[in-house]
Parts: sequence; C-alpha cells; structure tokens
Amino acid sequence: KNEVEQSPQNLTAQEGEFITINCSYSVGISALHWLQQHPGGGIVSLFMLSSGKKKHGRLIATINIQEKHSSLHITASHPRDSAVYICAVPNYGQNFVFGPGTRLSVLP
Amino acid sequence: GAVVSQHPSRVICKSGTSVKIECRSLDFQATTMFWYRQFPKKSLMLMATSNEGSKATYEQGVEKDKFLINHASLTLSTLTVTSAHPEDSSFYICSATTLDSSYEQYFGPGTRLTVT
Repeated sequence: KNEVEQSPQNLTAQEGEFITINCSYSVGISALHWLQQHPGGGIVSLFMLSSGKKKHGRLIATINIQEKHSSLHITASHPRDSAVYICAVPNYGQNFVFGPGTRLSVLP
Repeated sequence: GAVVSQHPSRVICKSGTSVKIECRSLDFQATTMFWYRQFPKKSLMLMATSNEGSKATYEQGVEKDKFLINHASLTLSTLTVTSAHPEDSSFYICSATTLDSSYEQYFGPGTRLTVT
C-alpha cells in the first residue's frame, strides 16, 4: 500500500504570506491529486499532476517523481484559503490513498 | 474539466432508516466509481470500488449488506446506508474514472450524513 505523509499537519499564516504544504509518498506513481476540503466538508479537486508544475491562479503545485514528493504553494494567501489540503496518490489498481491533510488557517 | 456531483450534499436521518446517496459523472462516462468515507479529523478511507454492471468490491471491514452499492449505468452509482445508526454518521465521497485513463480521477463534493 502506498503510504502518504503530509507536512505540516497544521499551519497558521497571516494574510498575504506565501504558504507551502508538502506531500511525500512511498510508492512510485503516475499522477497525484491535491484536494481542498472546506470547513463544511465539501471537496474540491485543485490539481492532478504527473510531472513538473501546474499553476491555477494563486495556487502552484509541483511534483518530483524521482523523489516521490509534491508541494502545494499558495501565493498571497487570503483568509478564504483556510481549509484542509489533502494529497491523494494512486494505490494498487485505480483507487487512491489519501494523506492525513494539512489544516491551514489564514488570519486577516 | 470532468465534473462529478453528489446528492444530497447533507442529509439527516433517524436511526433505523435507510439513506441513498447518488454519485453522478456529469459529462463523461465512468467505468469505475469509488466510495470513500471520512471519520472526524481523519483521512479518507476507501470503502468500495464500483464497476458498471457488476457487483461492487468492498474493502476489508466494510459490511456489504450495510452499505449497498449499485452502479447501474456509466454515469450513476448509488450508496445506500441501510438501517442507519449514529456511528454511520460521516462524510461520504465518491470519485470516478474515465474510460481511457485509470489515474484521472474526479472527485465528488461529498455528502455529510448525520444519523440521530
């Protein structure tokens, strides 16, 4: 089974700060997902990436397949970015294993 | 991009009743859908894999008679929690894969079930 770790577990930042969340996994993969879970529970898929880097607005995701590591960056953070960020990697077959999540709080 | 919807987004039911949660792929055909459950402050855990037209495959420890899964078409899978108990209260999420790529998964927004 693919083991997934995230760091930090919890993160508090001031509005405007640059934020980095890390994800590492134990088994080589072809693609990794970053998900955002809002306080109400709803899940939003932010990125699916298999190499290099992707950017959507203030969010940037990078992945290093050789090092089995991915990072999610948030530039110019805002209180509305407060959420739990989860990375998910494929397990054997098609299902996914989820990281424990990083709880982000951005203070105004 | 591909969209997966879930309905309802929130449901409250009484103990002993059954609740059905729908997962739909809105603009693509999903050969496989997955159902996950999230306990409070825990990570998502796979419950079962649902393939269109065949019986679902349940993970160890998940009661198949309790959590009935039906995948009748390429765009719809349902999870029915039968004879619900308060310990079934949880957040349930589905995901779906397209026909041509097993690792392009699309996640539904989730359904919060509260059993009173």
